[in-house]
Amino acid sequence: GENVEQHPSTLSVQEGDSAVIKCTYSDSASNYFPWYKQELGKRPQLIIDIRSNVGEKKDQRIAVTLNKTAKHFSLHITETQPEDSAVYFCAASMEEDKIIFGKGTRLHILP
Amino acid sequence: NAGVMQNPRHLVRRRGQEARLRCSPMKGHSHVYWYRQLPEEGLKFMVYLQKENIIDESGMPKERFSAEFPKEGPSILRIQQVVRGDSAAYFCASSPGGDDYTFGSGTRLTVV
Repeated sequence: GENVEQHPSTLSVQEGDSAVIKCTYSDSASNYFPWYKQELGKRPQLIIDIRSNVGEKKDQRIAVTLNKTAKHFSLHITETQPEDSAVYFCAASMEEDKIIFGKGTRLHILP
Repeated sequence: NAGVMQNPRHLVRRRGQEARLRCSPMKGHSHVYWYRQLPEEGLKFMVYLQKENIIDESGMPKERFSAEFPKEGPSILRIQQVVRGDSAAYFCASSPGGDDYTFGSGTRLTVV
């Protein structure tokens, strides 16, 4: 089955700097790669997603890249703000199948 | 649309009791997924159901855990004879098919 690895497990960046989180997946049949943000005690919230026919997608300060050949994808957050502090999860799935999550990255934005 | 509704939000059970967690999917969603999140860890897939069918239960422990999604009513995750290690947040997600997942707010189970 699918296995998703995520790095780093913890990331601290100065406010205003960029944050990058990287993930790899194992099943070449996976074609959908969402990213979730989870604040303490809350539900995971979808922040951006990418499908395997697209290499890059951007939404304001958030961007994702996908390298299907290497089976890795990344989340980039630019101009980080205090409210970006949270746990971020990458995930992979095939359409209409379960989502498999990485173990998460705890992002701290330092003042 | 009320979104994915999970209840109860918090559940306390003594060791050996049964826990029943409910998930009402979004209107129009016929696919339900259950995940378990241990403290400070990621979300681990448990089971995927469609109405009256278990599609994939590869993440379910072999004993004490069961899930159903009847024709009428919510999906139920049932844990029999709970142990301390069952303490976790249990999240349900629903979709209409495809990739449009929505998560509920979760049920936080504490076993004392």
